[in-house]
Amino acid sequence: DAGVIQSPRHEVTEMGQEVTLRCKPISGHNSLFWYRQTMMRGLELLIYFNNNVPIDDSGMPEDRFSAKMPNASFSTLKIQPSEPRDSAVYFCASSLMGSGNTEAFFGQGTRLTVV
Amino acid sequence: DAKTTQPPSMDCAEGRAANLPCNHSTISGNEYVYWYRQIHSQGPQYIIHGLKNNETNEMASLIITEDRKSSTLILPHATLRDTAVYYCIVKGRGNTPLVFGKGTRLSVIA
Repeated sequence: DAGVIQSPRHEVTEMGQEVTLRCKPISGHNSLFWYRQTMMRGLELLIYFNNNVPIDDSGMPEDRFSAKMPNASFSTLKIQPSEPRDSAVYFCASSLMGSGNTEAFFGQGTRLTVV
Repeated sequence: DAKTTQPPSMDCAEGRAANLPCNHSTISGNEYVYWYRQIHSQGPQYIIHGLKNNETNEMASLIITEDRKSSTLILPHATLRDTAVYYCIVKGRGNTPLVFGKGTRLSVIA
């Protein structure tokens, strides 16, 4: 398996523009997590899904952020409108939900710069 | 908030064992101890996890104290490629998400 695939790897956009980050989880995994990493705040959980259903979005910073998972193989994180303080590395991770504990696999991240 | 306490940084000589401590004094009976690491600019990578018994895999060993209030991750023969930030995470059963603290920045020195 190619692992968790995120696109784009780098995104530079102007303040006020809409940004869409994409994630393809590992095939067969049924949980998906979005994280944001900055120097100041470290790795923060934004939202996670189980079986395509959002379970906890309390980490989403503002209404400007939204996430969807229309099917088991695709998720998006959208920021509209974007602001300079949204500049960060955004990671997507997936895991297999079951009775035991399983590890989460992370993508390589999307580095977002809002100017 | 993270439920663990780790030293912010450590150094280790190449070829020696790296012992990374973690305190998790409020861990509950059904919570696991997970270790991840993040090499610069990459996504976090799973290393190992355990409940109460010591665990070993091809990457590392995990030693959990009998009272489960602390643990140590051991990299038996550290290499320069082990330089990374190491995160100790306490996590409940099932697909509850990982909550990351600040971790320990390990520098392996030649």
